[in-house]
Amino acid sequence: DAGVTQSPTHLIKTRGQQVTLRCSPKSGHDTVSWYQQALGQGPQFIFQYYEEEERQRGNFPDRFSGHQFPNYSSELNVNALLLGDSALYLCASSPGPQAGAFFGQGTRLTVV
Amino acid sequence: KNEVEQSPQNLTAQEGEFITINCSYSVGISALHWLQQHPGGGIVSLFMLSSGKKKHGRLIATINIQEKHSSLHITASHPRDSAVYICAVRRYRGYNNNDMRFGAGTRLTVKP
Repeated sequence: DAGVTQSPTHLIKTRGQQVTLRCSPKSGHDTVSWYQQALGQGPQFIFQYYEEEERQRGNFPDRFSGHQFPNYSSELNVNALLLGDSALYLCASSPGPQAGAFFGQGTRLTVV
Repeated sequence: KNEVEQSPQNLTAQEGEFITINCSYSVGISALHWLQQHPGGGIVSLFMLSSGKKKHGRLIATINIQEKHSSLHITASHPRDSAVYICAVRRYRGYNNNDMRFGAGTRLTVKP
């Protein structure tokens, strides 16, 4: 079992561009959550997907959107990138609401 | 005020010392996680607690639900324990909740 995998591992984008990050959950997990971690800070909850729907959302603008596919994998899209969007984006999956979350290695996004 | 507060922010210890990291939270929770994050960003889940105490090797985690407080202890610390330790809580918002909130982390450096 490969665990939670994220791609790409590193990414550099220009301000104003759009980016798509991908996450494959651990086998058997149906829930995916996305987090943004700025340098030196704890992760911040972006949103959670379950049954292909956004179930919960943190305090992030509409520029942040996502999708979950029938195979439970997920994408995070960020439009009109700002310099402040530079961060480590973490994906976590779990097999249900009360189970522990498994984290991916993250995608480090740099906006220049 | 953050929902999850950790202390200390930074901690330097000599190899072999007993280490304690504290976490206080202000919301109702269904579970508390202790996570370890190494340079490069990957996060490993160490413990998930909803009551009492758990032990894994040299690591011990305790939680006091009434006081909304948890501690992570490392006995006989080793330089390989150097990492950022993050406390995260799953807020209780009913069934099917995976919304986790994170502390800012404690950066631990263990010197040989």
